[in-house]
Amino acid sequence: QSVLTQPPSVSGAPGQRVTISCTGSSSNIGAGNDVHWYQQLPGTAPKLLIYGNSNRPSGVPDRFSGSKSGTSASLAITGLQAEDEADYYCQSYDSSLSGSRVFGTGTKVTVL
Amino acid sequence: QVQLVQSGAEVKKPGASVKVSCKASGYTFTSYGISWVRQAPGQGLEWMGWISPYNGNTNYAQKLQGRVTMTTDTSTSTAYMELRSLRSDDTAVYYCARTQAAFDSWGQGTLVTVSS
Repeated sequence: QSVLTQPPSVSGAPGQRVTISCTGSSSNIGAGNDVHWYQQLPGTAPKLLIYGNSNRPSGVPDRFSGSKSGTSASLAITGLQAEDEADYYCQSYDSSLSGSRVFGTGTKVTVL
Repeated sequence: QVQLVQSGAEVKKPGASVKVSCKASGYTFTSYGISWVRQAPGQGLEWMGWISPYNGNTNYAQKLQGRVTMTTDTSTSTAYMELRSLRSDDTAVYYCARTQAAFDSWGQGTLVTVSS
């Protein structure tokens, strides 16, 4: 079972702003470990969206932004577009699990 | 450009083993780790483990310890993941991913079906 908790789903109309939370604990996000975010379009492999809490890889639109505070992190999508409909996962490192990387439970974003 | 190309789909019987390959190109293979991540049908992502092609160091998820082995062949820039004693709940798409801090490039995925 995942140690990072995300809402199962969020939705918004085109052009709106949506946020996805990722709640961890003192052994992962709260321990200062970086949070990364991935987008998985239907039927495809995940793609890195945000790394190091708030950095965008080359080619990722600036509509996507990440932040981290305490034991939680957030992904925001502004100016929501139809092509943003996908599953989103947060990921970090957990020092209580022998150095394991851990994923969030995943959030389905629906564009209304 | 960075590419990770995985081997094709597999169908295995319970108790058997499977070995999935992941051929890397477009970067220096020994400069980045390779992680393996799996996704059961309709489920989320599960990290399985990591290997350093530089020195062969590995780190496996606790729940898979004893059943999984990750290796690399630096002469062909290929990583391998072997899973033994397969069960029906090992049915999943298996991904390799280039790893530094984040998983920044992913293979296309390999479907492994475990069925009698």
